[in-house]
Amino acid sequence: SYVLTQPPSVSVAPGQTARITCGGNNIGSKSVHWYQQKPGQAPVLVVYDDSDRPSGIPERFSGSNSGNTATLTISRVEAGDEADYYCQVWDSSSDHPYVVFGGGTKLTVL
Amino acid sequence: EVQLVESGGGLVQPGGSLRLSCAASGFTFSSYEMNWVRQAPGKGLEWVSYISSSGSTIYYADSVKGRFTISRDNAKNSLYLQMNTLRAEDTAVYYCAREGAASDAFDIWGQGTMVTVSS
Repeated sequence: SYVLTQPPSVSVAPGQTARITCGGNNIGSKSVHWYQQKPGQAPVLVVYDDSDRPSGIPERFSGSNSGNTATLTISRVEAGDEADYYCQVWDSSSDHPYVVFGGGTKLTVL
Repeated sequence: EVQLVESGGGLVQPGGSLRLSCAASGFTFSSYEMNWVRQAPGKGLEWVSYISSSGSTIYYADSVKGRFTISRDNAKNSLYLQMNTLRAEDTAVYYCAREGAASDAFDIWGQGTMVTVSS
């Protein structure tokens, strides 16, 4: 089965740039989606199809995807960005399409 | 307002059954593919099941295949998850999630409903 690997935690000071990686075998050939989840809340889509932003998501959130690594970049980090972030893809290598989530990365704003 | 509202969660004994519902509003439910995603306490997100807009195509995670059944009633704007032979490891918050029209990302999520499997 397809595996997505994320660092358990990333820390960044306010105003700096946070980069959260998502590793997977040839992930560059897939569309990667990113979700933000704050404690006690449902996930929210922040980047889809590698680098597109849903309406209402600040331009500070951006994404890239190449080779074996996809990256979510949060510029000018704010205290309100502190949350868990999950990457997600659809994998078709098994007998039917399968949704795969990364293990999640806790972003701490120092 | 586009909204998904889950219901039906609760405490159930191992081996028991539960039926979750997800009520959709603010969009044309029959045009969208839907999914169930769960999250065990303190853990990450785990995909559970997918259903196409018409209900003709269905997929399950291996962990629930043969025990859970996804369905929908487009006339009632509702999505369902019938959960049988429940195990302790099925304890989680269950979310329904909509796939976007132009992308297979989950663009709208419900608030979740808690399922606890315990004796």
